Amino acid sequence: QKEVEQDPGPLSVPEGAIVSLNCTYSNSAFQYFMWYRQYSRKGPELLMYTYSSGNKEDGRFTAQVDKSSKYISLFIRDSQPSDSATYLCAMSGDTGRRALTFGSGTRLQVQP
Amino acid sequence: DVKVTQSSRYLVKRTGEKVFLECVQDMDHENMFWYRQDPGLGLRLIYFSYDVKMKEKGDIPEGYSVSREKKERFSLILESASTNQTSMYLCASSPHNTEAFFGQGTRLTVV
Repeated sequence: QKEVEQDPGPLSVPEGAIVSLNCTYSNSAFQYFMWYRQYSRKGPELLMYTYSSGNKEDGRFTAQVDKSSKYISLFIRDSQPSDSATYLCAMSGDTGRRALTFGSGTRLQVQP
Repeated sequence: DVKVTQSSRYLVKRTGEKVFLECVQDMDHENMFWYRQDPGLGLRLIYFSYDVKMKEKGDIPEGYSVSREKKERFSLILESASTNQTSMYLCASSPHNTEAFFGQGTRLTVV
């Protein structure tokens, strides 16, 4: 079983829809949670960063962390065709390996 | 803004060649990483470094080595390139155990 599970999609939605992207994880030591956006043939770009449980909002994006359920989410409101990309969740802890552990990514397509 | 720069966007090398991929970051980050990304396999950690001259193996270090002689520069070396090393290579840096910032990637093709 992978440490971080993420549905690969593809997820296709109409423009203006609310998108929900999710990851589950098994390591209870994870404290730092990130979402990256990756356009085709480009490097991942940091979108959201959250420490421990709770919500964080940045414009049309909201990140949620539920440590009790080991479940994180990214919501995109009023989705745009320019949001079409692969979204990767990533996480790390205060102890253990310093590198992030990534989900496999969810491919999102927003149809105009 | 954090900037992580990889020396090449695209590379084509022959089997058996020694290949150097260079990465430079400008934010004085302690940690630097090399990942490869393949369809269906996601991002896999090859090596990382948490200080000058320090390195640790990641999940798939076989066939690779690294060098970090200066804090801002982290090199990935393919000692003898093979076709199964054809991939997208991504360098990243981070200040702590937290968010990492990625370069634009190097798409390497070994023929």
